[in-house]
Amino acid sequence: LAKTTQPISMDSYEGQEVNITCSHNNIATNDYITWYQQFPSQGPRFIIQGYKTKVTNEVASLFIPADRKSSTLSLPRVSLSDTAVYYCLVAPRRSGGGNKLTFGTGTQLKVEL
Amino acid sequence: NAGVTQTPKFQVLKTGQSMTLQCAQDMNHEYMSWYRQDPGMGLRLIHYSVGAGITDQGEVPNGYNVSRSTTEDFPLRLLSAAPSQTSVYFCASSYPSRGGSYNEQFFGPGTRLTVL
Repeated sequence: LAKTTQPISMDSYEGQEVNITCSHNNIATNDYITWYQQFPSQGPRFIIQGYKTKVTNEVASLFIPADRKSSTLSLPRVSLSDTAVYYCLVAPRRSGGGNKLTFGTGTQLKVEL
Repeated sequence: NAGVTQTPKFQVLKTGQSMTLQCAQDMNHEYMSWYRQDPGMGLRLIHYSVGAGITDQGEVPNGYNVSRSTTEDFPLRLLSAAPSQTSVYFCASSYPSRGGSYNEQFFGPGTRLTVL
C-alpha cells in the first residue's frame, strides 16, 4: 500500500480556508485517495474520496494533480467545530481479498477565534 | 438505521482475563474491520472480514481473535488481556459490492479498554 506523508499539525482561524496536503509518491494506478476526519473520543468519519483532478462535496474539496503523487484537502471557511485530526489514505476502492487500510497519525487541525 | 454499534463503551480488565468486544451493523455491509487507536496515534488494523465466514489478519492481530458467523456481527475476542492492549477499539463497516468502496468506512463510537 502507498505510504502517505502529511503535516503533523496546522493552525487556522475561523473563516479562513485551510488546505492540508498529503504526499503519496508511490501511489498505484488503481489507488484512490480518501480523507477522514476524527473528533476527540469519536470514530473517524469519511469526508471525501477522489481519483484525479477535483472532487467537491458539501464539506470539502479534494484537489489531485495529474501525476497523483500528492493531494490537497481544502476546507472552506473553517469554524471552531472543524478542529479535528484529518487522515489521508491511499488504497484501491475494491480488492478481491479485502483492503488493509492504513491510517497514519494524521494532521491535527486547530481552529481558533 | 443505528449504523455501527459497539458494546461496551468502557471496560476495565485485569491482566490475563478474556473478553469479547461486540460490534454490529444494520446496513447489510459485507466488509467489517477492527482497529485499535493508542493515545496520540493513528488507527491500526487488527482483523477484517469481507463477508460472513471470511476473516483475515491486519497489521496487529496478535492476542486477538475474530469470527464472522453473520453479516451483521463481528466480535473481537481478547484471549488473555495484557496492559499493552490498553487502547480504544473501533469497529467499522463498508459496502464495496453495492457502489461503495472499502475506503468509505462507517465507524462505531469505540470501546475504551483498560488492562491493569
